[in-house]
Amino acid sequence: SQKIEQNSEALNIQEGKTATLTCNYTNYSPAYLQWYRQDPGRGPVFLLLIRENEKEKRKERLKVTFDTTLKQSLFHITASQPADSATYLCALDINSMNTGFQKLVFGTGTRLLVSP
Amino acid sequence: NAGVTQTPKFRILKIGQSMTLQCTQDMNHNYMYWYRQDPGMGLKLIYYSVGAGITDKGEVPNGYNVSRSTTEDFPLRLELAAPSQTSVYFCASSPRQSNQPQHFGDGTRLSIL
Repeated sequence: SQKIEQNSEALNIQEGKTATLTCNYTNYSPAYLQWYRQDPGRGPVFLLLIRENEKEKRKERLKVTFDTTLKQSLFHITASQPADSATYLCALDINSMNTGFQKLVFGTGTRLLVSP
Repeated sequence: NAGVTQTPKFRILKIGQSMTLQCTQDMNHNYMYWYRQDPGMGLKLIYYSVGAGITDKGEVPNGYNVSRSTTEDFPLRLELAAPSQTSVYFCASSPRQSNQPQHFGDGTRLSIL
């Protein structure tokens, strides 16, 4: 069966450390993978997108890797701050290459707590 | 910039009632989506639309209907509300091209009692 797995347990880290979140998937062949941030009571907000032929993507303190052999993406936040506390969702784009229409399948998200 | 606007933000319905969740976007996006999010579950796609007059079912369409008469609006209709439809509903939009992020509204929290 097709699955996307993110660690359901909250990740607690201290301010200034690097947070690493994991997204694993099975039986999908995504063309792209996206990461979103979701705050309580709000909708998801897009952070980064990485293509299947890209190994790594960076944006300010954020870094995403995409290993299609391991079927895994890692999401890193360096020099983490309390304001980074949120739930982070990964999403696989499983349709674009076939039809041009983007169809995202979302993981359940990992809650990150950064303490001062 | 408003982006994607959803109304209402909260609603309580009785079993068997009907209602329409409103969604409008001002970014001229062709693609629009409705998701539901339940505790401990990922966002599940209910319906989507690739343009005015064109809609299609997602992963969990039963009990819902949609229409898309304009580019801006994509309402979701619940007929005969059931407790299983208690959830948070998100509307999203994206440009026509692939490889684009989706823009989400802040959701409608719906309880069916």
